[in-house]
Amino acid sequence: KAGVTQTPRYLIKTRGQQVTLSCSPISGHRSVSWYQQTPGQGLQFLFEYFSETQRNKGNFPGRFSGRQFSNSRSEMNVSTLELGDSALYLCASGSGEVNGELFFGEGSRLTVL
Amino acid sequence: GENVEQHPSTLSVQEGDSAVIKCTYSDSASNYFPWYKQELGKGPQLIIDIRSNVGEKKDQRIAVTLNKTAKHFSLHITETQPEDSAVYFCAASENTGNQFYFGTGTSLTVIP
Repeated sequence: KAGVTQTPRYLIKTRGQQVTLSCSPISGHRSVSWYQQTPGQGLQFLFEYFSETQRNKGNFPGRFSGRQFSNSRSEMNVSTLELGDSALYLCASGSGEVNGELFFGEGSRLTVL
Repeated sequence: GENVEQHPSTLSVQEGDSAVIKCTYSDSASNYFPWYKQELGKGPQLIIDIRSNVGEKKDQRIAVTLNKTAKHFSLHITETQPEDSAVYFCAASENTGNQFYFGTGTSLTVIP
């Protein structure tokens, strides 16, 4: 069974640009969550999508957005990039069960110059 | 919102010794407490979890304890092995889906 796939794995952007990250969950999983991981803050929750609907949202500015498609694949977008957005963005796949196990991808490492 | 604090941030133990990582949480509504292990270059992986109606759970060399009154929970690893070296994260969640609040992580090094 294939795991969670995130693309791209690495990317470099400059301030003011925008970026789109993609996540393909485990087959059959309907929940996709996104987390931002930085050395100082650990893992911070961005949002969760379940059956194409945003089920939960963290405390990030509106520059961070996401969506989920009918095949459960998800994308997140960050507009008007800032230096502080440099981080590892992790996608986690789940069955959709409340408080179920999360299966994380290896992440997309974003560097903003 | 929920605030999860985790200590220590780094921990070194000799192979075969025990390791203990402690977390506290602030929101009494939290009722699910998983622990994740993250190896270098990989995403976190669930190693054990506990729900609020249970005080202790054990899985081979790993155990987790929960004190709801004091709002703290701990991870215990016995007979540590070099492959236990990784970053460990605690987390807390309510019944709202899969929104987890993570601690800042503990980097565990097991010295052979």
